[in-house]
Amino acid sequence: GEDVEQSLFLSVREGDSSVINCTYTDSSSTYLYWYKQEPGAGLQLLTYIFSNMDMKQDQRLTVLLNKKDKHLSLRIADTQTGDSAIYFCAVAMSDKLIFGTGTRLQVFP
Amino acid sequence: DAGITQSPRHKVTETGTPVTLRCHQTENHRYMYWYRQDPGHGLRLIHYSYGVKDTDKGEVSDGYSVSRSKTEDFLLTLESATSSQTSVYFCAIGAFRSGGIEQFFGPGTRLTVL
Repeated sequence: GEDVEQSLFLSVREGDSSVINCTYTDSSSTYLYWYKQEPGAGLQLLTYIFSNMDMKQDQRLTVLLNKKDKHLSLRIADTQTGDSAIYFCAVAMSDKLIFGTGTRLQVFP
Repeated sequence: DAGITQSPRHKVTETGTPVTLRCHQTENHRYMYWYRQDPGHGLRLIHYSYGVKDTDKGEVSDGYSVSRSKTEDFLLTLESATSSQTSVYFCAIGAFRSGGIEQFFGPGTRLTVL
């Protein structure tokens, strides 16, 4: 089955850029997603990218997709303390999503 | 925000007792999902539903059953709770949109099995 991997932790200084990485195994995935989870809350859809795209930009968020290497990344520009959360990548498999383990982003002053 | 509620939000129970978690939506979405979230594992799919009375197993379905008798409600039952089922449970609803199968999550239920 599909396997989605992420590093567990990332720590950045406020104002710097954050890059969260994700790798997956099934090249037939059509859509790939980034979700954000704040403490004590459910997951919130941040953005998505279709598999025939290389890049998608949405305000401070940039998603890069390398289909050859099965690598997805989320770049957050000008990272703020409010960006501290767990970030999950997910890949679509028909009517289901397969989630990564999540990356905890910590932003320090 | 998508109209999804989960009840209860917190529950403590004892090993061997039955437990039912409820997910309620007001969005009339066809798809509903139950996940569990555990440290180091991310979210894992337990069961999902693609319509009233239509359900299917996910990755970690052993020890769980579901029912969906109405579009708006999706119930998750632990027939005989075990300590390994201590977790945070999330319900999600899904719809096919411009971004494929977009899922929207409830606030979660924290279940502790003693």
